[in-house]
Amino acid sequence: ILNVEQSPQSLHVQEGDSTNFTCSFPSSNFYALHWYRWETAKSPEALFVMTLNGDEKKKGRISATLNTKEGYSYLYIKGSQPEDSATYLCAFSGSARQLTFGSGTQLTVLP
Amino acid sequence: EAGVAQSPRYKIIEKRQSVAFWCNPISGHATLYWYQQILGQGPKLLIQFQNNGVVDDSQLPKDRFSAERLKGVDSTLKIQPAKLEDSAVYLCASSPLAGITDTQYFGPGTRLTVL
Repeated sequence: ILNVEQSPQSLHVQEGDSTNFTCSFPSSNFYALHWYRWETAKSPEALFVMTLNGDEKKKGRISATLNTKEGYSYLYIKGSQPEDSATYLCAFSGSARQLTFGSGTQLTVLP
Repeated sequence: EAGVAQSPRYKIIEKRQSVAFWCNPISGHATLYWYQQILGQGPKLLIQFQNNGVVDDSQLPKDRFSAERLKGVDSTLKIQPAKLEDSAVYLCASSPLAGITDTQYFGPGTRLTVL
């Protein structure tokens, strides 16, 4: 059973704060790491797909880094806004070629 | 481009009843997935279709769950009979192919409550 862990489970930040959270995954048989954002009552939305060690991706105020050797990825949000409130999911793709999701980090940005 | 459509959005049933969920993927997407997301956990893959063939159903509880994808387009997921532990959000996703870096596009999900 693959173990994909995300931390923290939840956090509250003030508008304008920067924040980051972690996804840990198996360092062996790595193929890809996906990040999704899931707002309440909406569809999960793809943020990034990362495949190479040292990858850095950026989309607006959101960025992510990848370390496949030690098995972790960080997601950063700069200057959080209330509309960033969502659950952020990471998903590991290994040799089985299916996505194994973490349980997510629930972010609440307070105005 | 229209997204992945799912219906119903919400369903409440009593245990031992049957329920069915419907999914219409993005046009042209060959691969379709059904996930189960129990509160506090990440989505878990139940079944993956490539066109109208099953690629992976190893985590589908086949004694009560069934799924089909007619003509390689729409799909239905059925639970018969439902148990309390089936209360979850059922997500459908599609992708153009099944590559490891292919983005999966999700529908809004069906929230099932079993009483």
